[in-house]
Amino acid sequence: EVQLVESGGSVVRPGGSLRLSCAASGFNFDDYGMTWVRQGPGKGLEWVSGISWDGGSIGYGDSVKGRFTISRDNAKNSLYLQMNNLRAEDTALYHCARIYSSGWTSHMDVWGKGTTVTVSS
Amino acid sequence: DIQMTQSPSTLSASVGDRVTITCRASQFISTYLAWYQQRPGNAPKLLIYKASNLQSEVPSRFSGSGSGTEFTLTISSLQPDDFATFYCQQYNDSPYTFGQGTKLEI
Repeated sequence: EVQLVESGGSVVRPGGSLRLSCAASGFNFDDYGMTWVRQGPGKGLEWVSGISWDGGSIGYGDSVKGRFTISRDNAKNSLYLQMNNLRAEDTALYHCARIYSSGWTSHMDVWGKGTTVTVSS
Repeated sequence: DIQMTQSPSTLSASVGDRVTITCRASQFISTYLAWYQQRPGNAPKLLIYKASNLQSEVPSRFSGSGSGTEFTLTISSLQPDDFATFYCQQYNDSPYTFGQGTKLEI
């Protein structure tokens, strides 16, 4: 079964850091680009970041650029999101999703259930 | 950034109805548009990609059309399972923006 399972969400203070992980199974992880999408409480979907199959091409949304870093370890079938200088507006459910492409410029065909990040003092 | 605007924001309908949701892009995106369905408490689910291509195992009552800046998602005959929130998303140009969502309710 194709599956994505996120972890690492927590409560963190403004200005703090957090690292999210996404474990992939059931498919050849290094054949696909991957992405992070978040959803604030009661809000819509926001694209956060995307990475190509080999990590050679990366993109970020405007609101996280310079603070978040996406990466992947194909040997471990894992995707990561390093989040620094966190703000209250980063509070959200963070989903990882598979991109139907080796790059990160395509639709998202498999989604994880998400991990919750709460930024609060 | 490309802005995606969905209409309506909320849609009331009944089982068996035919409904259409519209998504407009603030600039040309060719057919690089996807539609997702999200039921409460669940992850989004891909319905349509490249504007009009039905994702595997998605019922044929769902269809998508459009190109350039105007797109539609149509559900030909609503089923109880279809009541959810729907999002369009463009992937023509980074950042890959979503519409604000359309909540389909009874």
